[in-house]
Amino acid sequence: QSVLTQPPSASGTPGQRVTISCSGSTSNIGSNYLYWYQQLPGTAPKLLIYRNNQRPSGVPDRFSGSKSGTSASLAISGLRSEDEANYYCAAWDDSLSGVIFGGGTKVTVL
Amino acid sequence: QVQLQESGPGLVRPSQTLSLTCTVSGDSISSGGYYWSWIRQHPGKGLEWIGSMYSSGSTYYNPSLKSRLTMSMDRSKNQFSLRLSSVTAADTAVYYCASADNNDRRRFDYWGQGTLVTISP
Repeated sequence: QSVLTQPPSASGTPGQRVTISCSGSTSNIGSNYLYWYQQLPGTAPKLLIYRNNQRPSGVPDRFSGSKSGTSASLAISGLRSEDEANYYCAAWDDSLSGVIFGGGTKVTVL
Repeated sequence: QVQLQESGPGLVRPSQTLSLTCTVSGDSISSGGYYWSWIRQHPGKGLEWIGSMYSSGSTYYNPSLKSRLTMSMDRSKNQFSLRLSSVTAADTAVYYCASADNNDRRRFDYWGQGTLVTISP
């Protein structure tokens, strides 16, 4: 059971907007930055969003992150077939004194 | 751009020590630009942070693994390493090495391709 809770799956048709949630507590999301990683099938994870809503260079602006209180979300607009992947949220947890990840959300493009 | 490559045995016996090395190219592990980290992924499961190490030698370990974990650096070879003792089947996973920005050690910018380690008799 992950400390950060994500829905196991999400789906959409090409062009749609998909949102993934990440729920935590005051010791993690509530008091620290939130990060998102994308893991395409058979590959290593890739940083998608850092510090709640910042995109590294090269990440399309179709991906956006937000945070409010002890929850965060990742939105993918204009969904494309290449977005089919697992998405993980991550944060520092003050109580555990370590980086924690959500259980991951598998996004399927219908 | 930093590139990382994991190496080590793919099979380790239970109760033995798992040892992995990450070779870094594109930057010096002594430069102070990154935290050098290990993250693992159990088969079909999510990600678990193992620990991070700064160029100064300071280490930050996952509390759940701390009693069995040692991270070290070999500056002459531009490598950093992981040693996990007393392994069990629960340590079977794909192990990734990664670099985190020195100003934000939760920001894992670069990752190795990962190496599968199986714990089995």
